[in-house]
Amino acid sequence: QQPVQSPQAVILREGEDAVINCSSSKALYSVHWYRQKHGEAPVFLMILLKGGEQKGHDKISASFNEKKQQSSLYLTASQLSYSGTYFCGTGDYGGSQGNLIFGKGTKLSVKP
Amino acid sequence: GAVVSQHPSWVICKSGTSVKIECRSLDFQATTMFWYRQFPKQSLMLMATSNEGSKATYEQGVEKDKFLINHASLTLSTLTVTSAHPEDSSFYICSATPGTGLIDTQYFGPGTRLTVL
Repeated sequence: QQPVQSPQAVILREGEDAVINCSSSKALYSVHWYRQKHGEAPVFLMILLKGGEQKGHDKISASFNEKKQQSSLYLTASQLSYSGTYFCGTGDYGGSQGNLIFGKGTKLSVKP
Repeated sequence: GAVVSQHPSWVICKSGTSVKIECRSLDFQATTMFWYRQFPKQSLMLMATSNEGSKATYEQGVEKDKFLINHASLTLSTLTVTSAHPEDSSFYICSATPGTGLIDTQYFGPGTRLTVL
């Protein structure tokens, strides 16, 4: 089942923070985050695994609450380059061969 | 970093013709490759999963005879859209992973935009 992302869209001023959420109705083994710019392929951001991981790189970080079956992506002091559509992909215990189910995406627009 | 290429980047074809799209992992061996389809402003929809040397596993609702997948080697997978029709027009993206499980990164190709006239 497709994970639910919220919000669907967000507009920020440069330097502002944003949180994107991803929740699933299934028990999750992993959550993958990708960013896609218009007309381009998705670019990998990070993977979070079961066990309640938190990860970060530069000013982008994420957490995974296994019990709540949800993950959040945190964008701090946003830059213009952060604009794009963010997808979470979830791997659940019922899946096979590493299949990920992607959410509908959250469109982030960062304005000067 | 891991690089995945796709060829062609875009293709325009007439209705009824077949189109082949190649997906290559350039600097790693891809145990598993995935094919996705993406409509404008929509999410990535998994079409099929392929492992080298074995038949692809198709998602429910994806016609096996229409979307032929061949994973000929650990670095190459091809998707052939047979007898393409305008409703097959879409953005097709492949991804590849050196692993097989849910913990491995999928590296995406740049995508192929198919337009069927």
